[in-house]
Amino acid sequence: KQEVTQIPAALSVPEGENLVLNCSFTDSAIYNLQWFRQDPGKGLTSLLLIQSSQREQTSGRLNASLDKSSGRSTLYIAASQPGDSATYLCAVEIQGAQKLVFGQGTRLTINP
Amino acid sequence: ETGVTQSPTHLIKTRGQQVTLRCSSQSGHNTVSWYQQALGQGPQFIFQYYREEENGRGNFPPRFSGLQFPNYSSELNVNALELDDSALYLCASRKNGQINYGYTFGSGTRLTVV
Repeated sequence: KQEVTQIPAALSVPEGENLVLNCSFTDSAIYNLQWFRQDPGKGLTSLLLIQSSQREQTSGRLNASLDKSSGRSTLYIAASQPGDSATYLCAVEIQGAQKLVFGQGTRLTINP
Repeated sequence: ETGVTQSPTHLIKTRGQQVTLRCSSQSGHNTVSWYQQALGQGPQFIFQYYREEENGRGNFPPRFSGLQFPNYSSELNVNALELDDSALYLCASRKNGQINYGYTFGSGTRLTVV
């Protein structure tokens, strides 16, 4: 059974810092890994998708990496801003089943 | 292109009642999935519909059921509501088989069971 874990559960940093969010998964039989952002009480906004054959993806100040063999992904946020405050979720799509398995998320607070 | 739209945005029901939530998929997307997100948790997969048939189901009891219509929109029905059904219900869509493209999620329906 695929399990996804995100560490830390919560993170608070001052504005301008670079930071890394971690995601680990137990089964490497995945199609892809996706990072999402969720604002309080809202839906999910897709940030980055890394296909199983890829090592990383970049979008603006965000960079996500994937090491499928070790079951790990990181989301790097450069020059953090207060507007980056949100919960960040990672999810893997299991091979053979078109469904996502999510971690519990990291609640990020950027202090001005 | 329009995204995924869900209705209603908020709903309050009494324990034992039945509820129907609705989702319109993104234009061009023929697969719809439903997820339940309890407060402080990650979303949990309920089921997925393609070609008007359920083609995947998570660990949810039969009182959770769904439909997909010819225009790819979908409904989630929950019978005999329990207090633990209180959650954010998320709908996601994608074109079937396009694993190199991510799912697009709607803004969710917040269900409160009292």
